[in-house]
This record gives sequence, structure tokens and C-alpha cells, in this order.
Amino acid sequence: EAQVTQNPRYLITVTGKKLTVTCSQNMNHEYMSWYRQDPGLGLRQIYYSMNVEVTDKGDVPEGYKVSRKEKRNFPLILESPSPNQTSLYFCASINSGTGVPDTQYFGPGTRLTVL
Amino acid sequence: SQQGEEDPQALSIQEGENATMNCSYKTSINNLQWYRQNSGRGLVHLILIRSNEREKHSGRLRVTLDTSKKSSSLLITASRAADTASYFCATDSTDSWGKLQFGAGTQVVVTP
Repeated sequence: EAQVTQNPRYLITVTGKKLTVTCSQNMNHEYMSWYRQDPGLGLRQIYYSMNVEVTDKGDVPEGYKVSRKEKRNFPLILESPSPNQTSLYFCASINSGTGVPDTQYFGPGTRLTVL
Repeated sequence: SQQGEEDPQALSIQEGENATMNCSYKTSINNLQWYRQNSGRGLVHLILIRSNEREKHSGRLRVTLDTSKKSSSLLITASRAADTASYFCATDSTDSWGKLQFGAGTQVVVTP
């Protein structure tokens, strides 16, 4: 089954404790991205990756890092989480092989609370 | 800034009625996509309409796109209680391939 998986699904942590949210897709998609969702703001893109070893900032990259060492994985790293990063996070992937943007597949979400 | 903006922000209807929500956006797009989200859970992809298409159907869903007015509408016919959710439009702009710009969503409540 084609899917995007994220782990963990729920996480409560404390300020300053480094954490990583993993994302994996099994569709061989080149393009992957991370979004955060906050009430009243919809989803906003944090980082994206066009392919392995190619990453770039989205609209709200401050406080986050990413890496893309393998095509299927795109982890989101919070080196020193702060309470304003409490949010619902989504990983997404899209097939960019045709050159025409297509459906974005979203993971199930990770609800992060930073105390 | 938000690209897509949905209208209305909230909609309450009875089962069996139709629900219509609108989306306006600001820039040229490759496509526009509609998603459903139940109570802070995952996003379910409903339909994608490309910039050269004007109307698309999927089951009880009908989406229209007017690129001259930079607007789209989502119609859910014969609504059911299970349609209760938030609905988001998201645009894939021609100047930012792959990045979806979401609106704040329309919250739909369908009462039995």
C-alpha cells in the first residue's frame, strides 16, 4: 500500500531536549516536505527536499533542520525545541518525475507538545 | 501569507442537504487540491483539479475552478453526518513547484 509514515505520532517533551520526527514513504517519490499546522493558520511548509541531498527552506524553517540521505526518508530535527514549536506536524511526498505537480500524499501527523 | 482562503469559515447543515464552500487564491497555479481533516487528525486527499480543467467530479463531490477569478468551489451533495470535518483548499503555485499553500479551512458540521 502506498503510504507516508511518521513516528512518533504523539510526543510530549521539554524545552531544549533534542528530538527527531521520522518520515518515510514507499512510493519512490523525489519531492518530500514537512508542514506544521496551527489553529487558524492552515498548514505552512517548514522544509522541502527535491531529491537526495537537496533540501531547502519553506515558509517557517526557524528552529528546524532536515536531512535527506536516502530517497525514502526525510527526518525533521528539532535541535532545541521551544514551546512555540508545539504543533501538529505533517510529512508529505509528491511524485515529481513527470515534471507536472501531482497529488501530495500526507502522513498521519505527529502531535508535538513542548513544555 | 496564506494563498488559499476558504469561505465560509464554518457551515452547519442537516443531513441530505448540499454543502458548498469556496476558495480564493492569489497567484497562478499548476493545480488546486481539496483535503478533508477530521478533528485534528490526518489529511485525506479529496480531489485535484489542474489549471486547465474547469470542473471535476468524484462521487458526491464536485469541484469547479475559475482561473480568471482565481477561485474554486467544492460542493458536497446529499451530505451525511460522516462528512463532518474541516475542508481545506491548497494551491500548487507555478512559482513554487510542489509547495502547497493552504487556507485556514471551512469547518462543516452535518447534523442527523
